[in-house]
Amino acid sequence: DTAVSQTPKYLVTQMGNDKSIKCEQNLGHDTMYWYKQDSKKFLKIMFSYNNKELIINETVPNRFSPKSPDKAHLNLHINSLELGDSAVYFCASSQDAGTGNTIYFGEGSWLTVV
Amino acid sequence: AQSVAQPEDQVNVAEGNPLTVKCTYSVSGNPYLFWYVQYPNRGLQFLLKYITGDNLVKGSYGFEAEFNKSQTSFHLKKPSALVSDSALYFCAVSQRGTNAGKSTFGDGTTLTVKP
Repeated sequence: DTAVSQTPKYLVTQMGNDKSIKCEQNLGHDTMYWYKQDSKKFLKIMFSYNNKELIINETVPNRFSPKSPDKAHLNLHINSLELGDSAVYFCASSQDAGTGNTIYFGEGSWLTVV
Repeated sequence: AQSVAQPEDQVNVAEGNPLTVKCTYSVSGNPYLFWYVQYPNRGLQFLLKYITGDNLVKGSYGFEAEFNKSQTSFHLKKPSALVSDSALYFCAVSQRGTNAGKSTFGDGTTLTVKP
C-alpha cells in the first residue's frame, strides 16, 4: 500500500493551460504539504495544511491554489501554466504539524510545460 | 533564521569503503535534524533523525549520523558503502517549536558508490 500517492506521475502541457495534481495519504496523518523540486534538485515548501486548514503559504504565485477536501487529500491546481513552472512537485504528510515529525513524501509529479 | 549546508555536491566512494556525507546547520536553540535519501525518479525517503538524547543516531539501511553541537554538524555515515547506496541525500533542520513544514532542506549531496 502506497502511503502518500499522487497523480499524475508525469504531465506534459502547453503554456497557458490549467492543470491539477491530486494527492492522497493513507497514514492517518493530520498534516499535508506540497513541495517543489527544481531542475537543480533544490527542494522548497509551497503549502501546508493541518486538518484541512492552510497553515503554510510560502511565496508562491497565486496561480497555484491548493485545496484540501479532507485531511487525507491535498490537491494542487495550477492556472495559466508558465515555462518556469516545470519542476517536480512532491506531496507529503506528517503525523501533525509538530517540528520533530518525520515527513513522508509521495513519488512526485513531473510537470513539463512546453 | 535557520539554514543548513551540505558542502559537497558530490561524494564518490568505492564499494566496501566507509562513507561520510557532511551537513552543518545554523538554528536558534536546539535543533531537530533529519536525513532523507532520494533515489532517481523517486520521492524522498526518511533515513534518520535526531530529536534528543544519544548523539549517535542509527537509521535505515545501516546509516548513522552523529549530532555534534559544538561543531553544529550532523554528518551521515556508513561503515561499508554499497553500490545501491548511490542516490541524492538531503539534510534538513528544524527549529524546535516551529511547524514541521518550516524545515529547511540542504541543497543535496549526490553519493556515487563505484564497484
